[in-house]
Amino acid sequence: DADVTQTPRNRITKTGKRIMLECSQTKGHDRMYWYRQDPGLGLRLIYYSFDVKDINKGEISDGYSVSRQAQAKFSLSLESAIPNQTALYFCATSLYGNTGELFFGEGSRLTVL
Amino acid sequence: AQSVTQPDIHITVSEGASLELRCNYSYGATPYLFWYVQSPGQGLQLLLKYFSGDTLVQGIKGFEAEFKRSQSSFNLRKPSVHWSDAAEYFCAVGAIGGYNKLIFGAGTRLAVHP
Repeated sequence: DADVTQTPRNRITKTGKRIMLECSQTKGHDRMYWYRQDPGLGLRLIYYSFDVKDINKGEISDGYSVSRQAQAKFSLSLESAIPNQTALYFCATSLYGNTGELFFGEGSRLTVL
Repeated sequence: AQSVTQPDIHITVSEGASLELRCNYSYGATPYLFWYVQSPGQGLQLLLKYFSGDTLVQGIKGFEAEFKRSQSSFNLRKPSVHWSDAAEYFCAVGAIGGYNKLIFGAGTRLAVHP
């Protein structure tokens, strides 16, 4: 089983719908992240969390919200999806003091029609 | 502001040939530097990282990278490419004390011809 699990792996939805992407990890890491990948743009940070009570905006947080339900769970929500949120979304984890290495899930491909 | 530039969007090499993927960064202090690989349908996997010390770092799968401060570069190399190396490669920079917030380049997609 993967250490960082994302659900769903693929989702097609319509403009205006609410969508939640979920991430769970068994690595025991305290830090969790949501990135968005677009062709030609690489990965951009949406939100990150250093522990259950800590939530921080990344560079492209507009239109997104997150919830850290437990140390092992970090969900990303699109309250009202729009077509330019069509992308591949990655959850990642890291451990405090581990000097930068991120561990990624396999990605959630979201298409907004 | 931190930034990462990967000048080559696509690279095609023949199997057995050598490979060099370019990465240039912009950062005001000594950065943490990383190379990640993304195989089709997979998440990103760390190939190697540089924090300090020897500027030539070895990674997994036979890859190495060299940090050149004077050129603000961190190029990835492999002496002999295998067909299984076909993937997308991302260079990333992190700030010391930046709590693992990495800035990624746009990626270089590598194709390997038999």
